[in-house]
Amino acid sequence: EAEVAQSPRYKITEKSQAVAFWCDPISGHATLYWYRQILGQGPELLVQFQDESVVDDSQLPKDRFSAERLKGVDSTLKIQPAELGDSAMYLCASSLGQQPSYEQYFGPGTRLTVT
Amino acid sequence: AQSVTQLDSQVPVFEEAPVELRCNYSSSVSVYLFWYVQYPNQGLQLLLKYLSGSTLVESINGFEAEFNKSQTSFHLRKPSVHISDTAEYFCAVRGTDKLIFGTGTRLQVFP
Repeated sequence: EAEVAQSPRYKITEKSQAVAFWCDPISGHATLYWYRQILGQGPELLVQFQDESVVDDSQLPKDRFSAERLKGVDSTLKIQPAELGDSAMYLCASSLGQQPSYEQYFGPGTRLTVT
Repeated sequence: AQSVTQLDSQVPVFEEAPVELRCNYSSSVSVYLFWYVQYPNQGLQLLLKYLSGSTLVESINGFEAEFNKSQTSFHLRKPSVHISDTAEYFCAVRGTDKLIFGTGTRLQVFP
């Protein structure tokens, strides 16, 4: 069964350093999502792509976060510089399209710890 | 805008007992409703969803949820839980744009 791949699974970094996460969605899925899940809370959407275009990045802290999906396939989320409050699970999800009826499939996530 | 409230942060229950995880939502438009399950250090898996039609939806592992429009609720139930059901459960709602998650309910099943 096809799955969403993410790497690394765990990342420990020091405050003010740069960090990057990678996501490879299920083949054929046009829509890709990055979520942040703070411990004890539900996931919150950071950015949504349709193919290579950003559809929604209203909750992305653009002063330090950036996301790209250059060829409309895999995607990278970057934080520079990292802050203590960025410690969280970063989840990538993909779906066939943007319609609400399309299921979002989640990857295993990257757990970030900022020290 | 939509919002989701999961009324219980933790639900302890003994194996083979019934369980109900509560979820209420708020929205000014028609919504789609979802329950996701998250096992430790894993991503989320879709458990079941309500899009339209029958208000009672079921999952393959014995969970069910009922959409109640008048009470704006989508509670998750299982008549007999197993140790393997121990996990975090998230209710989510989607209107015209993004998926909004609740804060989660930790289901702990004891032998």
